[in-house]
Amino acid sequence: AQTVTQSQPEMSVQEAETVTLSCTYDTSESDYYLFWYKQPPSRQMILVIRQEAYKQQNATENRFSVNFQKAAKSFSLKISDSQLGDAAMYFCACFQTPNRDDKIIFGKGTRLHILP
Amino acid sequence: KAGVTQTPRYLIKTRGQQVTLSCSPISGHRSVSWYQQTPGQGLQFLFEYFSETQRNKGNFPGRFSGRQFSNSRSEMNVSTLELGDSALYLCASSGSGTDTQYFGPGTRLTVL
Repeated sequence: AQTVTQSQPEMSVQEAETVTLSCTYDTSESDYYLFWYKQPPSRQMILVIRQEAYKQQNATENRFSVNFQKAAKSFSLKISDSQLGDAAMYFCACFQTPNRDDKIIFGKGTRLHILP
Repeated sequence: KAGVTQTPRYLIKTRGQQVTLSCSPISGHRSVSWYQQTPGQGLQFLFEYFSETQRNKGNFPGRFSGRQFSNSRSEMNVSTLELGDSALYLCASSGSGTDTQYFGPGTRLTVL
């Protein structure tokens, strides 16, 4: 069965510092996508970054980047120059492109606190 | 483009009642997925609709059902509500279901 594990329920980082959120996944499929979503308190879930499994190059979106280790099934998110607005719950998700009932699985989330 | 909208935003029901939640996807998106979010279980996939057909279904009892209309709007119904159904219900839309999902603000359901 497909699983996504976020081993850090909570993390804190000083403003302007760098933080890395961990995610490991398990899938039997060769074709899949990986996502990081951000859910600020009482606000909408939004996409942070996405990675296609067939791409070796790590995705980057401004201050957000991933370290995608396909063989190790690891997909960590690095946030550089942390800002107060980065405080949120972060969810890692694995999306398998074959049509199946467990097509998308989310991790339990990591709550990120930004310390001023 | 307007984002995903969900109505109502908040609902309070009592045990045994039924409830219908609505989701309007981003214009042009044909896939709508529903999720239940609780502090204990996190985000759990309920089902996905694509072109008015249920394409995938998560591991939820038959009390949870849905449908999709020709304009891609989707509704989710929960019958015989239980206290454990209290949750944030999120809807997400995507173009084909194989790309990025865009989430709505959610409907907060409280069952008393």
